[in-house]
Amino acid sequence: EVQLVESEGGVVRPGGSLRLSCAASGFTFDDYGMSWVRQVPGKGLEWVSGINWNGGSTGYADSVKGRFTISRDNAKNSLYLQMNSLRAEDTALYHCARSAKPYYDYYMDVWGKGTTVTVSS
Amino acid sequence: EIVLTQSPGTLSLSPGERATLSCRASQTVSITYLAWYQQKPGQAPRFLIYGASSRATGIPDRFSGSGSGTDFTLTISRLEPEDFAVYYCQQYGTSLTFGGGTKVEIK
Repeated sequence: EVQLVESEGGVVRPGGSLRLSCAASGFTFDDYGMSWVRQVPGKGLEWVSGINWNGGSTGYADSVKGRFTISRDNAKNSLYLQMNSLRAEDTALYHCARSAKPYYDYYMDVWGKGTTVTVSS
Repeated sequence: EIVLTQSPGTLSLSPGERATLSCRASQTVSITYLAWYQQKPGQAPRFLIYGASSRATGIPDRFSGSGSGTDFTLTISRLEPEDFAVYYCQQYGTSLTFGGGTKVEIK
């Protein structure tokens, strides 16, 4: 079964850091680009960051550029999001999602259930 | 950035009725790079449509997509009880952006 499972999120103080992980299974991980998409409770979807199949190209939303870093370890079938200088407005449910192509800027055909990140003092 | 505006915000319909959802882009979406997703409460988004009109594997044919340029439509020909959900459009022609969603609720 094709599956994406995000690690547990957490509660972090403003200015703090957190690293999210996403474990992929059921498909050849390094054939696909990957993205993180977030969702504020009761609101819509916002693309956060993406990475192509070999990590050679990455992209970020303006709202997180310079604070978040996406990476992947194809040997471990894992995707990561390092989040620094967190703000209250980063509070959301973070989904890991697979691109339908080796590059990230395409539609997303497989999604994880998401992990909650709360930034609060 | 291409901004996607979905309308209406909420659509109240009965099972068996036809649903027509609109997604309008602030600029032309290149090569009809427009996708649709369905999301139910507490679940991950489910991929429905790509290339504006091509159904994903396993998606029933009561779901259809159309449009080009800046105006796109998702149509559900006859609503089944499991179709009541929130629907999002996404463009992937210039970076990645999502619309704000349309909730299809039971009337």
